[in-house]
Amino acid sequence: GNSVTQMEGPVTLSEEAFLTINCTYTATGYPSLFWYVQYPGEGLQLLLKATKADDKGSNKGFEATYRKETTSFHLEKGSVQVSDSAVYFCALSDPSSGGSYIPTFGRGTSLIVHP
Amino acid sequence: DAEITQSPRHKITETGRQVTLACHQTWNHNNMFWYRQDLGHGLRLIHYSYGVQDTNKGEVSDGYSVSRSNTEDLPLTLESAASSQTSVYFCASVRDIGSEQYFGPGTRLTVT
Repeated sequence: GNSVTQMEGPVTLSEEAFLTINCTYTATGYPSLFWYVQYPGEGLQLLLKATKADDKGSNKGFEATYRKETTSFHLEKGSVQVSDSAVYFCALSDPSSGGSYIPTFGRGTSLIVHP
Repeated sequence: DAEITQSPRHKITETGRQVTLACHQTWNHNNMFWYRQDLGHGLRLIHYSYGVQDTNKGEVSDGYSVSRSNTEDLPLTLESAASSQTSVYFCASVRDIGSEQYFGPGTRLTVT
């Protein structure tokens, strides 16, 4: 079956530090990959996505590249801000999963950014 | 703008009571989902629906039910609330396979 593994948190950084949150996946087909962000007290919202190998998704200074050879989709940001403090979820949606619309989520990684 | 809403946002109920959480979306998506989120467990799928009159069980469906009488709404019912069902519940919808999900703001349910 499909699975998503992301690094355990919390990740604690100082403002303006470089961020990497690792995400690796297993899938039977050619999935679309997503990063969602959840701010305190809110629902998840899409941060960025990539639909095929070597695609780079980007938004709000965050980037992630779909690496088929390493089955990875690591999230990066060059300079984090306090307002980036949130929980980040890596997810995949695999159209080859028997027509299923059910995505697979990682456990989430909490990011805490200190001033 | 299209959106997905949940009500109530907070609910406190007693063990054994029936509780219904509402989810309403104006995206006109056929596919809707209910998740619960608990510390240490991430998101867990409770039930999902691919269209009117269609409902399916997810990985943690025991004690929960859903009904789908129209495209916009997927209410989640806890038949007899238990303390183990204290959680934050999220509703979501998706347009197509491979597309992103749109989440509601969540309902925090406490069962005392």
